[in-house]
Amino acid sequence: SQKIEQNSEALNIQEGKTATLTCNYTNYSPAYLQWYRQDPGRGPVFLLLIRENEKEKRKERLKVTFDTTLKQSLFHITASQPADSATYLCPYPYYKLSFGAGTTVTVRA
Amino acid sequence: KAGVTQTPRYLIKTRGQQVTLSCSPISGHRSVSWYQQTPGQGLQFLFEYFSETQRNKGNFPGRFSGRQFSNSRSEMNVSTLELGDSALYLCASSFTGSSIYEQYFGPGTRLTVT
Repeated sequence: SQKIEQNSEALNIQEGKTATLTCNYTNYSPAYLQWYRQDPGRGPVFLLLIRENEKEKRKERLKVTFDTTLKQSLFHITASQPADSATYLCPYPYYKLSFGAGTTVTVRA
Repeated sequence: KAGVTQTPRYLIKTRGQQVTLSCSPISGHRSVSWYQQTPGQGLQFLFEYFSETQRNKGNFPGRFSGRQFSNSRSEMNVSTLELGDSALYLCASSFTGSSIYEQYFGPGTRLTVT
């Protein structure tokens, strides 16, 4: 069946380092992918959308890549800060967005 | 532009009661989707409304229903509440009903059923 999976449930990283999150998809070739951030008890916040014909997208310290050959999207947070600690989501885009549990990033000071 | 608003923010109900939650989308957005999030779980899709019509529906029992008004505001109703309905209910609006457009989420309504 078609699905998108994020590589890990949790990622702990030292402040200043680059956090890299992975979203893999199988039996499916999405035309685009979105990334969201969610803080505890709050609604997700849209961060970036990347289309299949775009190799890379940037927004401030965030960078997303989309590799249709590897069927993978990478999400990078460069120069990470404790304020970047949150859960990051890569929803499955079909006729609606289907959200998984995401990857919880904790940035240690 | 004002963001998505949800009312009430917090609600406590007892089993068997019913509840109505409200969502006002961003001005100009015609699609409103509803999600349920329980502790440690991902967002579970409830349904989506576009131009007053339910376009998509998730796998929730008929106790969960919704509607959308001509001004795109949406309400969600849960009848005969159960303890398991305790959750954060989120609504999200987008410009169209297509998932290619980003969704903007409201702050959520925290429902506690006792």
